[in-house]
Amino acid sequence: EAGVAQSPRYKIIEKRQSVAFWCNPISGHATLYWYQQILGQGPKLLIQFQNNGVVDDSQLPKDRFSAERLKGVDSTLKIQPAKLEDSAVYLCASSLVVRLAGPYEQYFGPGTRLTVT
Amino acid sequence: AQSVSQHNHHVILSEAASLELGCNYSYGGTVNLFWYVQYPGQHLQLLLKYFSGDPLVKGIKGFEAEFIKSKFSFNLRKPSVQWSDTAEYFCAASSGSARQLTFGSGTQLTVLP
Repeated sequence: EAGVAQSPRYKIIEKRQSVAFWCNPISGHATLYWYQQILGQGPKLLIQFQNNGVVDDSQLPKDRFSAERLKGVDSTLKIQPAKLEDSAVYLCASSLVVRLAGPYEQYFGPGTRLTVT
Repeated sequence: AQSVSQHNHHVILSEAASLELGCNYSYGGTVNLFWYVQYPGQHLQLLLKYFSGDPLVKGIKGFEAEFIKSKFSFNLRKPSVQWSDTAEYFCAASSGSARQLTFGSGTQLTVLP
């Protein structure tokens, strides 16, 4: 079974530039997550999709971050304009929807390491 | 607010030593608990999980964790570590009906050969 794919793996940009990350979840996984992991911290959820709808984006800095999952499969996370504090690893994860509530497991991709200079 | 705390930031052990990594959570109601591991250069992967039932959970690679509700804890244990266990370990939690995970800050484990 193929895992969660992400690209690019690394990106270096200057502040005020824009950047986009791509994620392809495991086939059949309806739920997709984007996390931000700053060095020395655990991953923090940015946004959660169920198919192509947003379930939770309460921690997404919407003035500069946007995400979409138009066809309910792959997803793009964009930052525009980037700030120095956006330097982090951006992780994508996916999970099955077994039932409305209850056990699930998230599978993580390799992440994109973003450096903003 | 819901939170997960890992108080050990860096643990250094010799091979064959016993391991216990602390995890405390702050959640009301039903909680789901997880330990994830990230080996150098690899993805986050699930070690073990607790949803309900037996509070002693066994995971992969000889790891286990015990859910102690009265202490709001879910500590990770392994009786004898190996050099290959060198990695960063993350505790995570979610409330009963939500899927969003809240992670702790992680513990870097270094096992000396």
